[in-house]
Amino acid sequence: QSALTQPASVSGSPGQSITISCTGTSSDVGSYNLVSWHQQHPGKAPKLMIYEGSKRPSGVSNRFSGSKSGNTASLTISGLRSEDEADYYCCSYAGMRVAFGGGTKLTVL
Amino acid sequence: EVQLVESGGGLVQPGGSLRLSCAASGFIFSSYLMIWVRQAPGKGLEWVANIKQDGSEEYYVDSVKGRFTISRDNAKNSLYLQMNSLRAEDTAVYYCARIIAGTLYYWGQGTLVTVSS
Repeated sequence: QSALTQPASVSGSPGQSITISCTGTSSDVGSYNLVSWHQQHPGKAPKLMIYEGSKRPSGVSNRFSGSKSGNTASLTISGLRSEDEADYYCCSYAGMRVAFGGGTKLTVL
Repeated sequence: EVQLVESGGGLVQPGGSLRLSCAASGFIFSSYLMIWVRQAPGKGLEWVANIKQDGSEEYYVDSVKGRFTISRDNAKNSLYLQMNSLRAEDTAVYYCARIIAGTLYYWGQGTLVTVSS
């Protein structure tokens, strides 16, 4: 059982927007502003897309955005493209311990 | 350019041992927390262990405590994971990553460990 809860799958059509949720507890997501989101294409290593809840690393499209409310963090992808089809994992860092969500498979229809 | 290159994976029998290495370059290795994360075939990401910059503190997921040891050699810019008493459920791709301010900022490409007789 994963420490953080994500939907198993989401889907959207090109150009649409989707949101993936990540629910933790007051001991991790709720207490620390250290939620990150990682994209993983099949057979590839994960890639950081969002950190500290809402910040984008250099080179990541501004179509990706993050937010947090209480114990739930969210990743929104706007203007969906075929290359966005991948698995997405949320990650919470709390007091030297790391928790991942179970992952969400994004399908671009 | 930041690079993390894992090595040492392979096929090992249940109960056996394996030592993974992660060679770091492109940054001051001794300044950063480092972490091992694994991913079983078809499954999600799982935190395994992390270690402070000077190696003074280590943290492990409960399922590997007492069997795995994380270590680092800052002079060699290298991170290690000694895995003993391996079980079938340890079969996974193992990734090393660099932590910056609580974020797994850079990932290696991973090395596959298969535990099977």
